[in-house]
Amino acid sequence: KNQVEQSPQSLIILEGKNCTLQCNYTVSPFSNLRWYKQDTGRGPVSLTIMTFSENTKSNGRYTATLDADTKQSSLHITASQLSDSASYICVVSAKGNEKLTFGTGTRLTIIP
Amino acid sequence: DTGVSQDPRHKITKRGQNVTFRCDPISEHNRLYWYRQTLGQGPEFLTYFQNEAQLEKSRLLSDRFSAERPKGSFSTLEIQRTEQGDSAMYLCASSLGWDSTYEQYFGPGTRLTVT
Repeated sequence: KNQVEQSPQSLIILEGKNCTLQCNYTVSPFSNLRWYKQDTGRGPVSLTIMTFSENTKSNGRYTATLDADTKQSSLHITASQLSDSASYICVVSAKGNEKLTFGTGTRLTIIP
Repeated sequence: DTGVSQDPRHKITKRGQNVTFRCDPISEHNRLYWYRQTLGQGPEFLTYFQNEAQLEKSRLLSDRFSAERPKGSFSTLEIQRTEQGDSAMYLCASSLGWDSTYEQYFGPGTRLTVT
């Protein structure tokens, strides 16, 4: 069964600090991995998408890494801002399968 | 704003009533997806359309649920005889392409509360 697990479940950090969120997946055969940001009560918004051949991708202060051998990904947030408070969801898709497999997300709270 | 809109944003209904939600995708997108998200969980796939054709339905989509996309543009999701377990956020997404490599753009969701 395709699964995506994320850790930690929740995280609280001070404004200006860095943090790293983790994602492990068992989706096979792998097609691509995305990180989404979801504000409370809103739909998810894409941050990055990576295919098998990509091992890092940046979007401003967000940097995602992918290790396809160990089936792990991380999302690093640099110099956090209050507006980064949200859930961050790791999403993996399999080749030939329309359905995306979503993780349960990491709830990130930035405090001043 | 991703360009995908959903209406209504919130719906409170009594158990046993029928509800209908609407999704307007980005105009040139031919794929449209419906997801359900409960509190503290990631979205779960319900169904998707390629233009007006409904190509796949999840086992989560019981007989009380029906989705349409009559002209390949907007879509509706109807839930008949609502139950308290239907309380969730219903998300719609659209994409330009025909497989999972294409970006899916999500709407803001419809929050359903069944009392």
